[in-house]
Amino acid sequence: DIVMTQTPLSSPVTLGQPASISCRSGQSLVHSDGNTYLSWLQQRPGQPPRLLIYKISNRFSGVPDRFSGSGAGTDFTLKISRVEAEDVGVYYCMQATQFPYTFGQGTKLEIK
Amino acid sequence: EVQLVESGGGLVQPGGSLRLSCAASGFTFSGYWMSWVRQAPGKGLEWVANINQDGSAKYCVDSVKGRFTISRDNAKNSLYLQMNSLRAEDTAVYYCARGTTVPQYWGQGTLVTVSS
Repeated sequence: DIVMTQTPLSSPVTLGQPASISCRSGQSLVHSDGNTYLSWLQQRPGQPPRLLIYKISNRFSGVPDRFSGSGAGTDFTLKISRVEAEDVGVYYCMQATQFPYTFGQGTKLEIK
Repeated sequence: EVQLVESGGGLVQPGGSLRLSCAASGFTFSGYWMSWVRQAPGKGLEWVANINQDGSAKYCVDSVKGRFTISRDNAKNSLYLQMNSLRAEDTAVYYCARGTTVPQYWGQGTLVTVSS
């Protein structure tokens, strides 16, 4: 199984300031079809997960442009340009290049 | 509007069975892979199983192989997860999701508790 490692596990951020979460995979996530199936999901307290970013850097429908994804191969980053109160929650990276699909441990974003 | 509504969760004894359902609406159900993902209380996410558009391809994680079966009924716009030989470690909220390599939409989840 591909192990996904997120850092940090907790991120206290001041409102209006940027935030960044890293995700490293145990092996390259480049699929044989040429795509890299690395997604980022947000889970607000008491809510189901919500897709933010797919295939490294594509924002899903309705996701604010303050969220961006980058990276390649085994190293990926989610950035929030200016954190808002509604961004509080747990963020997961997820690989769907190789079954079983696996998730990072989650990073808890909280407001200072 | 895409909607996914799970049902069928509840309290079951170890060794028992449950069948989860996911009712889909707001999109052409037969055109999408579908998936089940679970989350143990206070823990992270675990992919459980997925199924292709016509049900001819199914994959599940090793921890549930031989015990859980994913299926779908495109005429009823519904996804299912038959869970047998349940264990305490299967206790979780079970989510259905549209898509597989890109899980676009998620339901609210249904809680399964395995306990005597």
